[in-house]
Amino acid sequence: EVQLVESGGGLVQPGGSLRLSCAASGFTFSNYWMHWVRQDPGKGLVWVSRLNGAGSSISYADSVKGRFTISRDNAKNTLYLQMNGLRPEDTAVYYCGSQADCSSSACYINWGQGILVTVSA
Amino acid sequence: DIVMTQTPLSLSVTPGQPASISCKSSQSLLYSDGRTHLYWYLQKPGQSPQLLIYEVSNRFSGVPDRFSGSGSGTDFTLKISRVEAEDVGVYYCMQAIQLPLTFGGGTKVEIK
Repeated sequence: EVQLVESGGGLVQPGGSLRLSCAASGFTFSNYWMHWVRQDPGKGLVWVSRLNGAGSSISYADSVKGRFTISRDNAKNTLYLQMNGLRPEDTAVYYCGSQADCSSSACYINWGQGILVTVSA
Repeated sequence: DIVMTQTPLSLSVTPGQPASISCKSSQSLLYSDGRTHLYWYLQKPGQSPQLLIYEVSNRFSGVPDRFSGSGSGTDFTLKISRVEAEDVGVYYCMQAIQLPLTFGGGTKVEIK
């Protein structure tokens, strides 16, 4: 069974930094594309970033480009999101998601349980 | 970006009665490999979104058969044949044919 457990969230001042982690288990982590999405309190879901299995193909939403960095450690089965220059509008619950290679299987995405990031003075 | 439009915004359903949610995309979600990248999730109160349906009509492991998905191209529907109390929450459609992934605004299902 796929398990994704996020950690590293919390309260940070505007302009500050946080690093989120997503510990994965139950699947061959290195074969999966990984995503981050976020959900503003009481609102909808917004995609943030994606990384392929090898870590060589990376995409970001315009709203976080240049401030956030996605990365992974396949030896530790862990995904990361380094968030710098945080703004109040980055306040949200952040979810990591796993997506199988679409060329070889059904490529649905499963989401973790989420972690709250609050950016406030 | 592909815009996903869900209707209705909310539903109040008597247990045992059916429910239907519509999702329309601003572009076709049919990929060149013949698969259509439309997914349905349910976010129960206080939880993360859980996968119900993938590629329009395939139920994910463990999802009851009262849930079904249909549609093609840009028009999709999620149906619950007989709503149960445990089905309450917000339902989202999501497209994954191109980045950024985009989600519908959600449909809140409540029990009467």
